[in-house]
Amino acid sequence: QITLKESGPTLVKPTQTLTLTCSFSGFSLSSTGVAVAWIRQPPGKALEWLALIYWDDDKRYRPSLKSRLTITKDTSKNQVVLTMTNMDPVDTATYYCARKGAVTDAAFDYWGQGTLVTVSS
Amino acid sequence: QSALTQPPSASGSPGQSVTISCTGTSSDVGGYNYVSWYQQHPAKAPKLIIYEVSKRPSGVPDRFSGSKSGNTASLTVSGLQAEDEADYYCSSYAGSYWVFGGGTKLTVL
Repeated sequence: QITLKESGPTLVKPTQTLTLTCSFSGFSLSSTGVAVAWIRQPPGKALEWLALIYWDDDKRYRPSLKSRLTITKDTSKNQVVLTMTNMDPVDTATYYCARKGAVTDAAFDYWGQGTLVTVSS
Repeated sequence: QSALTQPPSASGSPGQSVTISCTGTSSDVGGYNYVSWYQQHPAKAPKLIIYEVSKRPSGVPDRFSGSKSGNTASLTVSGLQAEDEADYYCSSYAGSYWVFGGGTKLTVL
């Protein structure tokens, strides 16, 4: 059974750095073709892809946010970490981590439940 | 990286078919056969229902089908059921990143 779960602060202040952790089970991030992504959704708005890390440590970022984002993985702990610097109220959103499978290529086949992050002073 | 364009809303009666469009560019939808569709019920995480334009993951009913022509992809839901009422998002690989559509709220009348 594949599961993913996001964890991190629910409230951050403007200008602070957000660190989110995705803990997963049921698959290995060392398997060829597998990747984990972060996707967010502001309240009442659309999904927005943020970043992705491949099994081989290749990393991809949303071009408009690239300077603020860092994605890393700890394969031994089955975790992926996203950091986002200089948080702003417009970054208030539910943040999801999701798996890109090797078979369902370029699609996100398993998602975490999401974690709501509010940016406010 | 502009969002893909979807109609904000769509509707149909039970048993009917409805098609949702997703328009991008030659750099995303038109350039790759990597369009996927997600269903999201209120306060729930999105669920993958179509990948690689027209493939269905195991367990997704064959009432859901996908297609693509040029820079526009489409999701068709046949034999509408009450539980199909949800938000639907398309997504496309764009070479080095992914882009989502603005979402379509499907109402079953």
